[in-house]
Amino acid sequence: DVKVTQSSRYLVKRTGEKVFLECVQDMDHENMFWYRQDPGLGLRLIYFSYDVKMKEKGDIPEGYSVSREKKERFSLILESASTNQTSMYLCASLGSFEQYFGPGTRLTVT
Amino acid sequence: GENVEQHPSTLSVQEGDSAVIKCTYSDSASNYFPWYKQELGKGPQLIIDIRSNVGEKKDQRIAVTLNKTAKHFSLHITETQPEDSAVYFCAASESGNTPLVFGKGTRLSVIA
Repeated sequence: DVKVTQSSRYLVKRTGEKVFLECVQDMDHENMFWYRQDPGLGLRLIYFSYDVKMKEKGDIPEGYSVSREKKERFSLILESASTNQTSMYLCASLGSFEQYFGPGTRLTVT
Repeated sequence: GENVEQHPSTLSVQEGDSAVIKCTYSDSASNYFPWYKQELGKGPQLIIDIRSNVGEKKDQRIAVTLNKTAKHFSLHITETQPEDSAVYFCAASESGNTPLVFGKGTRLSVIA
């Protein structure tokens, strides 16, 4: 079974803090994705990566950056957290057509 | 870019009844249309998908239909059960290896 793990289920941070969200997959997938999920807005793509050290902007990259130093790990970085970044963050890796999602990190910025 | 509209946003059905969720998309280049189910506290999970060379696909109680001319596709769940209660997302992409664009989701409640 493919497993995608995210470092935290719940996270509370203060405005202005630098926040790291970690995602690890165990299936040697090349493509990985970060989404945020908000009520009534569905899943929106923040960044994705096709390979190590490669990254592409998704639909809402502003305020975020990513890092992919190893194939299995894809990190989402909030350089200076703001309250409008309070959300559920979902990581996914892509197998043969199917995206496998982690359980999500619910981030609250106060 | 691609835009995916999903309706309804909420749906309540009696156990045993059928449920239908509909999506439309805007980009005629889209060829891959998956459906994901998200249960409480979990990430979305693929339940069925369809590619543009197929008009209908069925897997037990779940079926998906695709009308490429009209740019819409639908999820049909028959003989609904309480465990079908979840949020369902449709999505579209050019191929299975390009980023998905998701609809806003449908919260399905199956009432026993």
